[in-house]
Amino acid sequence: GDSVTQKQGQVTLSEDDFLFINCTYSTTTYPTLFWYVQYPGQGPQLLLKVTTANNKGISRGFEATYDKGTTSFHLQKASVQESDSAVYFCALVDVGNTGKLIFGLGTTLQVQP
Amino acid sequence: EAAVTQSPRNKVAVTGGKVTLSCNQTNNHNNMYWYRQDTGHGLRLIHYSYGAGSTEKGDIPDGYKASRPSQENFSLILELATPSQTSVYFCASGDWGSSYEQYFGPGTRLTVL
Repeated sequence: GDSVTQKQGQVTLSEDDFLFINCTYSTTTYPTLFWYVQYPGQGPQLLLKVTTANNKGISRGFEATYDKGTTSFHLQKASVQESDSAVYFCALVDVGNTGKLIFGLGTTLQVQP
Repeated sequence: EAAVTQSPRNKVAVTGGKVTLSCNQTNNHNNMYWYRQDTGHGLRLIHYSYGAGSTEKGDIPDGYKASRPSQENFSLILELATPSQTSVYFCASGDWGSSYEQYFGPGTRLTVL
């Protein structure tokens, strides 16, 4: 079945550092991919969406792209701030089944001032 | 503002007791989902619904029931709560078609003693 792998469990950066988080996916259909962000005590919030139609999403300074050749998708930001500290999840839509989201395990980003 | 709300936000229950978690959405979405979030497992789908009167089993439905009495409301029911059901539960709403985006509530932290 469809799956997502997010290997980076924790990333620690300093303010103004470059952020790059990677996920790999497996699906038999055209992928619809999301990045969600979760702040402490809150539910996941939709950050970005990437599909084969747009290939790239940009929001709040974050950019998401995907690479069909390596079946991977990435989240990056040129200059992180302390307020970006959160857990970032990649997710793949199980289009052929329930429309459910298949989540990666999440990457905890800690940005030090 | 369209939103997904959950109640209660925190719940302590005893083993063998009945627990009902409630979710309300004002997004006018057809689909609603219940996930649980546990360290090391990420977010996993318990039950979902395509509309009022429908409930479907997700990936980990054992020990849970769901009820969708209206477009806006979706409940998760633990008839006989067990300590293994201690977790954070999230409700989400979304629609299929071109978006597949899901919007999450703030979560309910359930502790079963």
